[in-house]
Amino acid sequence: DAMVIQNPRYQVTQFGKPVTLSCSQTLNHNVMYWYQQKSSQAPKLLFHYYDKDFNNEADTPDNFQSRRPNTSFCFLDIRSPGLGDAAMYLCATGTTYNEQFFGPGTRLTVL
Amino acid sequence: QKEVEQDPGPLSVPEGAIVSLNCTYSNSAFQYFMWYRQYSRKGPELLMYTYSSGNKEDGRFTAQVDKSSKYISLFIRDSQPSDSATYLCAMSGYSGGSNYKLTFGKGTLLTVNP
Repeated sequence: DAMVIQNPRYQVTQFGKPVTLSCSQTLNHNVMYWYQQKSSQAPKLLFHYYDKDFNNEADTPDNFQSRRPNTSFCFLDIRSPGLGDAAMYLCATGTTYNEQFFGPGTRLTVL
Repeated sequence: QKEVEQDPGPLSVPEGAIVSLNCTYSNSAFQYFMWYRQYSRKGPELLMYTYSSGNKEDGRFTAQVDKSSKYISLFIRDSQPSDSATYLCAMSGYSGGSNYKLTFGKGTLLTVNP
């Protein structure tokens, strides 16, 4: 089945220790997104790619970076995680008709 | 005023009830309207997708869009305990910037009691 896959599903890191989350898709969609979702809140867009064109949200901290080496894969790098970065991180892919399909998420814990 | 307003609930109904979930919005550029279902600790799952005004039905789910009132609804008929989840409305449209971004409501937590 075509889908959005995120790894790992659960990630524990220490304060200040860099972490990388990965996302892959078999949907062959042009657009890929990274969201941060905290408990009982709506997903908050961090950035998105249209093909290789990177779009950063104005309020995304510099601590967060992303890479998209090809159509299928996208990575979220958190350079120095703080306690406030503990959240669910959601990857999504999108069509030109604005439908978005989400992966299962990676739950990040910062100790 | 927030761009998208959604009553967070919680909403609790008995099994078999008809559920009505609603969102209002202020941006007249929105043209694409979606409803997502999110189970606890899972990613959102696209339930319904509608372009512009009108109704769309899929099994027990009906999505309605009234662009003149800037109001969208999701109806769930014969609700089941497995429908217990948070329901997020989302919408997008070209407004001079990227038209690939969704604006979400805060989500409504629904519990269907057996």
